[in-house]
Amino acid sequence: DAMVIQNPRYQVTQFGKPVTLSCSQTLNHNVMYWYQQKSSQAPKLLFHYYDKDFNNEADTPDNFQSRRPNTSFCFLDIRSPGLGDAAMYLCATSNAHDPVSYEQYFGPGTRLTVT
Amino acid sequence: DQQVKQNSPSLSVQEGRISILNCDYTNSMFDYFLWYKKYPAEGPTFLISISSIKDKNEDGRFTVFLNKSAKHLSLHIVPSQPGDSAVYFCAASARENRGSTLGRLYFGRGTQLTVWP
Repeated sequence: DAMVIQNPRYQVTQFGKPVTLSCSQTLNHNVMYWYQQKSSQAPKLLFHYYDKDFNNEADTPDNFQSRRPNTSFCFLDIRSPGLGDAAMYLCATSNAHDPVSYEQYFGPGTRLTVT
Repeated sequence: DQQVKQNSPSLSVQEGRISILNCDYTNSMFDYFLWYKKYPAEGPTFLISISSIKDKNEDGRFTVFLNKSAKHLSLHIVPSQPGDSAVYFCAASARENRGSTLGRLYFGRGTQLTVWP
């Protein structure tokens, strides 16, 4: 089945220690997104890639970076995690060429804990 | 600034009865709306959507109603089943954000639906 995969599902890191979360997709979608979701809050878009074009949200902290080496993979790097960065991180994809559906397909998420 | 609002954090309904989840939005440029369902430890999954040219869309037990003048939409689940217990997110998209940029979605905070036997 075509899907969006996130690894690891749970990540524990120390305060200030860099961490990388990964996302891969078999849908061959050209757009990939990273969201941060904290408890009882709406998913917050951090950035997205349209093909290789990177688009950062204005309020995404500089501490968050992303890489997309190819269509299938996308990484979220947190350079110096703080306690406030503990959250669920969701990766999603969409097919921008689809004129009808604006649906995004989500991975299962990575739960990040900062100690 | 929350452009999509789900003002009820939780809803509890007996099995077999109707569940009605509500969503309000503020941006008049939104023209496409989606509902996502999320189980614990899983990512959101698409449930049903509606374009602003319609006021109703039905898919099995799920129906979404859109009232553009009130900037309000609702998801009806009839009959409700225990397996429907999940968090439901309302999301919206604006035409100006699609095409060459992205299908940017604006999400509400979600409503936890609990369906009890």
